[in-house]
Amino acid sequence: SSELTQDPAVSVALGQTVRITCQGDSLRSYSANWYQQKPGQAPILVIYAKNSRPSGTPDRFSGSSSGNTASLTITGTQAEDEADYYCNSRDTSGYPVVFGGGTRLTVL
Amino acid sequence: QLRLQESGPGLGKPSETLSLTCTVSGDSIRSGTSFWGWIRQPPGRGLEWIGSIYYSGSTDYNPSLMSRVTMSVDTSKNEFSLKLSSVTAADTATYYCARHEIVGGTFDYWGQGTLVTVSS
Repeated sequence: SSELTQDPAVSVALGQTVRITCQGDSLRSYSANWYQQKPGQAPILVIYAKNSRPSGTPDRFSGSSSGNTASLTITGTQAEDEADYYCNSRDTSGYPVVFGGGTRLTVL
Repeated sequence: QLRLQESGPGLGKPSETLSLTCTVSGDSIRSGTSFWGWIRQPPGRGLEWIGSIYYSGSTDYNPSLMSRVTMSVDTSKNEFSLKLSSVTAADTATYYCARHEIVGGTFDYWGQGTLVTVSS
């Protein structure tokens, strides 16, 4: 299957901007979606179709994409943004769905 | 507000079949073009898509699990189900059900998840 690769861990100072990336061949054809997961909770969708926000997602979250890389940017990171973030997309192989391995965001 | 709730045994033995059900409320499982999916997460690890089903019964499975997975839907109860056969300790995970928008590959509504432990 295709894979989506994410950095395992990223840290950011409170109030600063952080970018979390996701790389994979499927992203050349399909948009990335992003999920936030806090400890003991189910994932929630924060960005879909590359840069659309579901109602309830703060506008400090944004998405972008270039080539085989998608990015989730948090501008003015808050303490409550500390969480695991997963990307996913459709896939170009026999797997209709693929997830990245996740990035643990620490807010310093 | 769409809600999904997983139910099923929290403990299973190796070689047995794991059975889980997801009950959907707040909307009909027949509405729109949504599929309904299962995703799992082993303790301390990432998300793995298991499979998805349309209300008509059409299914799509993760090829790596396909030989052991069966999904079904009961529109009269507004619920869908997962069966995973021949389980091992490697199948220990939190199992989530979610609404799956096939076009974008998006899972936009999730259940709270249920932990299933496989142990003798």
